[in-house]
Amino acid sequence: DTEVTQTPKHLVMGMTNKKSLKCEQHMGHRAMYWYKQKAKKPPELMFVYSYEKLSINESVPSRFSPECPNSSLLNLHLHALQPEDSALYLCASSQEGMRLANTDTQYFGPGTRLTVL
Amino acid sequence: GEDVEQSLFLSVREGDSSVINCTYTDSSSTYLYWYKQEPGAGLQLLTYIFSNMDMKQDQRLTVLLNKKDKHLSLRIADTQTGDSAIYFCAAVKAAGNKLTFGGGTRVLVKP
Repeated sequence: DTEVTQTPKHLVMGMTNKKSLKCEQHMGHRAMYWYKQKAKKPPELMFVYSYEKLSINESVPSRFSPECPNSSLLNLHLHALQPEDSALYLCASSQEGMRLANTDTQYFGPGTRLTVL
Repeated sequence: GEDVEQSLFLSVREGDSSVINCTYTDSSSTYLYWYKQEPGAGLQLLTYIFSNMDMKQDQRLTVLLNKKDKHLSLRIADTQTGDSAIYFCAAVKAAGNKLTFGGGTRVLVKP
């Protein structure tokens, strides 16, 4: 089973709203990722969690706040977003974290389509 | 840093073979991936190849790696209409988990 699930599938929010995106995997993976993808572009890495600790933050604005409550769950809290933040937000996971020399295949979820009005 | 390039578009007739090309710049990339993305969906892992291999076959998919030229290709045999999608090539180094994606190749399969 290589399934990563994401909820909600679609989200529409105003610029003053607070919302959260959720991601879950039960593959025992210890690294989890958030990516942002604009139309007709490749995914751009936002955050990496390794063994439940934030290991990479790609200079993402603070209106995006990630959280990893346990090894299976990854959240992305959204607050005071801008219309240009509208995109597909993808979660991914991989088996091992950055502590190890090997890298591992990333498995992606279906994404949350976010629209900011 | 790593740079990964792909051609933008490929049109192919149903039943023919498709070949999608990718070049990368960092010779220390250890894994190279092909992902497929259908409209409105996430990325589906198709296949990957380790840098010490030069070919990998998986059913209708054949990956060829020319490490000297830093060139990767994905061949899809007997292309079907369901193969219409965007295909992303991606590279990663051993010492980190950052995937570098190419811009994606849009494949259109015509009946």
